[in-house]
Amino acid sequence: GQNIDQPTEMTATEGAIVQINCTYQTSGFNGLFWYQQHAGEAPTFLSYNVLDGLEEKGRFSSFLSRSKGYSYLLLKELQMKDSASYLCAVKTHRDSNYQLIWGAGTKLIIKP
Amino acid sequence: DSGVTQTPKHLITATGQRVTLRCSPRSGDLSVYWYQQSLDQGLQFLIQYYNGEERAKGNILERFSAQQFPDLHSELNLSSLELGDSALYFCASSGTADTQYFGPGTRLTVL
Repeated sequence: GQNIDQPTEMTATEGAIVQINCTYQTSGFNGLFWYQQHAGEAPTFLSYNVLDGLEEKGRFSSFLSRSKGYSYLLLKELQMKDSASYLCAVKTHRDSNYQLIWGAGTKLIIKP
Repeated sequence: DSGVTQTPKHLITATGQRVTLRCSPRSGDLSVYWYQQSLDQGLQFLIQYYNGEERAKGNILERFSAQQFPDLHSELNLSSLELGDSALYFCASSGTADTQYFGPGTRLTVL
């Protein structure tokens, strides 16, 4: 079966660092996406990892270990505007088509 | 701005009615996806179209249908609406890189 696990909710302090984990068990793997979604708004693309290792983009970094079925999103120098849900999605290949398997999302609450 | 547009932004209707949601993908994107997101829930994939043809189906009810037109815009039709259909409906599009870019969504309220 296809399964993606993320913590439901996390709390962190403004200015701090937080790591949001995502573990997956999927039939096939062709990459992993992270999206940010503010309440009531559309998800927005943050990062894409297809090879093992760390990808850094400003305050946000994403890590992937394919052998462990594991990824994390690292947010540094947290700001109040980072309060949002963070969605992990795995790209798999099925019936001559790529599709995304979505996690339920992690709601991140930033406190002053 | 993702480049994906959706109309209408809000829709309020009654149970038993039928509505049509519209989506225009980013310029050049051939794939369109439809998602449903109920309050405080995750994204539920409904259906994908690629260049006018249905490519993949998710948890889409029989009361729901979609199509993609030659100009690549897409419509999602919801019929015999129930209270439980109240949700945000997102459209996304992608090109060859498969990264999905989402439209602002249509908030459907069924009374």
